[in-house]
Amino acid sequence: DAGITQSPRYKITETGRQVTLMCHQTWSHSYMFWYRQDLGHGLRLIYYSAAADITDKGEVPDGYVVSRSKTENFPLTLESATRSQTSVYFCAICRADSTDTQYFGPGTRLTVL
Amino acid sequence: GENVEQHPSTLSVQEGDSAVIKCTYSDSASNYFPWYKQELGKRPQLIIDIRSNVGEKKDQRIAVTLNKTAKHFSLHITETQPEDSAVYFCAARFPGGGADGLTFGKGTHLIIQP
Repeated sequence: DAGITQSPRYKITETGRQVTLMCHQTWSHSYMFWYRQDLGHGLRLIYYSAAADITDKGEVPDGYVVSRSKTENFPLTLESATRSQTSVYFCAICRADSTDTQYFGPGTRLTVL
Repeated sequence: GENVEQHPSTLSVQEGDSAVIKCTYSDSASNYFPWYKQELGKRPQLIIDIRSNVGEKKDQRIAVTLNKTAKHFSLHITETQPEDSAVYFCAARFPGGGADGLTFGKGTHLIIQP
């Protein structure tokens, strides 16, 4: 599906620990996004990146850090996980010639105890 | 920023009937409106989209209409089938500086009754 993978698919961690979720794409698409999905809130944008070394905040960035040293990878780090960050995290990509159509990765289900 | 309202939150229809899901958006500059279908435990999948220079778009049993004046757009599914059961999300993209993401509605759980 659109050459986008996420790892791990499932993660359980404890409050205060650092967690990194990885998004990898094989299409060399420019734009990458991180969303979180929670019941009652739908999908909300955390961070996005227009290209390597270019990132910007979305709607709910607090508590998260991103980097993009390589075009194909867009890791999302929770520096000190909190229970409110229990969620399903989706990475999305879109092609440079069509910055509208976004394709989603399979998601990572994160539980913070 | 952009705000997207989606109604209803749950919709139950008889198999073979039509289903309509409606969304409104707040920013008149929004120019792209996709619809995603998400089955339980799966990723959102794009099913149809429309851009602001078009009023209607169809793809087999699915259609989307856009009313820019009223700032609302709708998803229409005709001849519903059991495999149409899923959560549907509308979204809008405001063309702010840079490739900012989509703003999503909160979803509609569509239930197709046999």
